Amino acid sequence: GQQLNQSPQSMFIQEGEDVSMNCTSSSIFNTWLWYKQDPGEGPVLLIALYKAGELTSNGRLTAQFGITRKDSFLNISASIPSDVGIYFCAGLFGGNNRKLIWGLGTSLAVNP
Amino acid sequence: NAGVTQTPKFQVLKTGQSMTLQCAQDMNHEYMSWYRQDPGMGLRLIHYSVGAGITDQGEVPNGYNVSRSTTEDFPLRLLSAAPSQTSVYFCASRRGRTGYGYTFGSGTRLTVV
Repeated sequence: GQQLNQSPQSMFIQEGEDVSMNCTSSSIFNTWLWYKQDPGEGPVLLIALYKAGELTSNGRLTAQFGITRKDSFLNISASIPSDVGIYFCAGLFGGNNRKLIWGLGTSLAVNP
Repeated sequence: NAGVTQTPKFQVLKTGQSMTLQCAQDMNHEYMSWYRQDPGMGLRLIHYSVGAGITDQGEVPNGYNVSRSTTEDFPLRLLSAAPSQTSVYFCASRRGRTGYGYTFGSGTRLTVV
């Protein structure tokens, strides 16, 4: 089935560093979503992007909907220990707005 | 509001047993979905519903049944549990066609021995 390529698979960084992760697809997406999953919990929506080129921030998080509509990135500035978790991208493919296509996640570890 | 509530949080089953994972949401969301999460596999859609009385299969539906008799509830039934169904199961809901952001429950951790 349709998949999103999310990278990197994992990251280990020092507190205070900036983080960047991205998702790419061979197909055009209409909507990009970024989620965070804390250990033992369900994913929580961080940012939703609806238009090509859209740049949206949520605190220290910034995400962009790629101009080609085939990619999106998420940046985290000045990381802190509570940023630890798995970050997922998800996208709506083509005209089907009933199901989301998910990336496999980026696991982030922050060293205090 | 409680959001999306899943029960139980943990469950151990023997191969061949059946059980129902419960999911309830109090946000009057139209869309509800069941996902399973396995290491290295991300989130995979099992079944979904776009409203009461309407369900459809996701990418990994075999071995699972669902029904949607009310807007609030969307139970997932394992008919005859197999070790391959050991996983973490998440229920999620969203408002409708324009409500793209799913709200997730906290998950059910199922082990089949």
